[in-house]
Amino acid sequence: DGGITQSPKYLFRKEGQNVTLSCEQNLNHDAMYWYRQDPGQGLRLIYYSQIVNDFQKGDIAEGYSVSREKKESFPLTVTSAQKNPTAFYLCASSSGQGYNQPQHFGDGTRLSIL
Amino acid sequence: AQSVTQPDIHITVSEGASLELRCNYSYGATPYLFWYVQSPGQGLQLLLKYFSGDTLVQGIKGFEAEFKRSQSSFNLRKPSVHWSDAAEYFCAVGGGFGNEKLTFGTGTRLTIIP
Repeated sequence: DGGITQSPKYLFRKEGQNVTLSCEQNLNHDAMYWYRQDPGQGLRLIYYSQIVNDFQKGDIAEGYSVSREKKESFPLTVTSAQKNPTAFYLCASSSGQGYNQPQHFGDGTRLSIL
Repeated sequence: AQSVTQPDIHITVSEGASLELRCNYSYGATPYLFWYVQSPGQGLQLLLKYFSGDTLVQGIKGFEAEFKRSQSSFNLRKPSVHWSDAAEYFCAVGGGFGNEKLTFGTGTRLTIIP
């Protein structure tokens, strides 16, 4: 079955450490997105990519970085510059063929600070 | 800038009763509107979407939503809820061409009582 796979499900970060969250999709979608979810705040967009080798900052990009070297992969790195990284991170993708295509979501990665 | 307001943080409904979750949006042109559902620790699943045409849209799991342009609303309804409907519900608004980002509301948590 096609879908979006996020790994790991749980991740712990030490102070000053960078960590990378994986997101892989086999839906042949062009567009991919990273969201951060905090209680009571809904989903906030971190980065998005509409095509390989191109990506744009979302609303809360500071302290995060991404790459899009392959169509099916969009890893997110939470850098040590992100001072409050504890959150639930969701990856999504859409066909990108038009602005009205819904986004499909992975099951998320929960990041905590040690 | 586009925005979404879900005025109800938490709603409790008896099993078998009807349900209406409120969503108000702000967008300068014709919006693209979505409802998603999230079970604890999971990603988001699309319930339904509105782009144009009939203002009453049907979705999965027996849900429907009505677009009212005059009220800038897109409320979600279900005539009879089941215990399995307990989850968090998110309304989202997207823009037109060149604005593929979605803006999410802060969510409404639904509790079902026997």
